[in-house]
Amino acid sequence: DSGVTQTPKHLITATGQRVTLRCSPRSGDLSVYWYQQSLDQGLQFLIQYYNGEERAKGNILERFSAQQFPDLHSELNLSSLELGDSALYFCASSVGAGGPHEQYFGPGTRLTVT
Amino acid sequence: QQQVKQSPQSLIVQKGGISIINCAYENTAFDYFPWYQQFPGKGPALLIAIRPDVSEKKEGRFTISFNKSAKQFSLHIMDSQPGDSATYFCADGDPNTDKLIFGTGTRLQVFP
Repeated sequence: DSGVTQTPKHLITATGQRVTLRCSPRSGDLSVYWYQQSLDQGLQFLIQYYNGEERAKGNILERFSAQQFPDLHSELNLSSLELGDSALYFCASSVGAGGPHEQYFGPGTRLTVT
Repeated sequence: QQQVKQSPQSLIVQKGGISIINCAYENTAFDYFPWYQQFPGKGPALLIAIRPDVSEKKEGRFTISFNKSAKQFSLHIMDSQPGDSATYFCADGDPNTDKLIFGTGTRLQVFP
């Protein structure tokens, strides 16, 4: 158990809908990362927050957004969902930012868009 | 788009054998090279990591070998066990953004 929690574990929704994925980092970790894992794209970095502020953006679609709250939990919002958004979404956390820090992954949320 | 080239895509090893997975990176600015192990239905779990200032790091049966001049690093699993059967990902750590750039993964199967 990495100490990173994610809810829900599974999510099934229809195209055009909006969903929110939630992540709680390990105790003491200030950085939260979101990654998407799909069969054709592999593990792709989406976005990083550090202590409430956006720090880095990767291949995140404009339909997706995220935030980190004062209690350091984070939410990833996916809107106008398309079939191709079906994937595993992982949250990871690390102690800090600005250097090589070990990232610990949560169990993931499996999103299925029908 | 930065890439990490990982090979082989799949690997079958007999129990007790050595499993070797290779990765090659492009950007010499990368300064952190972790390996993750992922079981079906689970999140990637950090296995072992290395910085470019050392050429080898060993933790139990797992060893990372790092060749800075060739921009390559590899994972060796000694005395491979059926419980090691999983997908392994190498990654590069971007020092400017903290993001990890992952390889495409290697599915390892260890048969008794």
